[in-house]
Amino acid sequence: EVQLVESGGGLVQPGRSMKLSCAASGFTFNNYDMAWVCQAPKKGLEWVATISYDGSSTYYRDSVKGRFTISRDNAKSTLYLQMDSLRSEDTATYYCARQAYGSSDYWGQGVMVTVSS
Amino acid sequence: DIQMTQSPASLSASLGETVTIECRASEDIYNGLAWYQQKPGKSPQLLIYNANSLHTGVPSRFSGSGSGTQYSLKINSLQSEDVASYFCQQYYDYPFTFGSGTKLEIK
Repeated sequence: EVQLVESGGGLVQPGRSMKLSCAASGFTFNNYDMAWVCQAPKKGLEWVATISYDGSSTYYRDSVKGRFTISRDNAKSTLYLQMDSLRSEDTATYYCARQAYGSSDYWGQGVMVTVSS
Repeated sequence: DIQMTQSPASLSASLGETVTIECRASEDIYNGLAWYQQKPGKSPQLLIYNANSLHTGVPSRFSGSGSGTQYSLKINSLQSEDVASYFCQQYYDYPFTFGSGTKLEIK
């Protein structure tokens, strides 16, 4: 059974950093691209970033370029999202998702990130 | 960036009815389109990929169609468990973009 379990969320002040993790199991992690998708409270879904199966390629939405870094450790089957210079508009639930040829076929339960002083 | 325009924003239908949700892309996305269902308080779940392929375990009353810039999701024989928000997403080109969502309720 595919499982994706996010951790690392919480309350953080504007301008500070936070690192999210996503532990994957139930599939061969290094065969799949992985993504982060966020959802602000009562809002729609927004794709944040994708990393290729081997970590060689990364893609970001414009609003997080230069502030967020997606990475992975295939030996640990874990995906990461390093979020720096956080802003109030980054407040959202962040989902880790497995990408299969582009679509996100499995999602984690999500982790809440609140950016507030 | 490719813009996804989804309609309607909300929908109310009776049990057993057929409903259709539409997404229009700002340019041709060559069937690089997925549909997701998100029930209240839950994570999104994939329903349809490549515009018309049913994801594993998804009931056959869900179907997707379309091409070019116009795509639709049809739900036949609406059931109470279909109450949810539905989102389209293009993955033809980065940055991937979602439609604004359709909230489906039962009359």
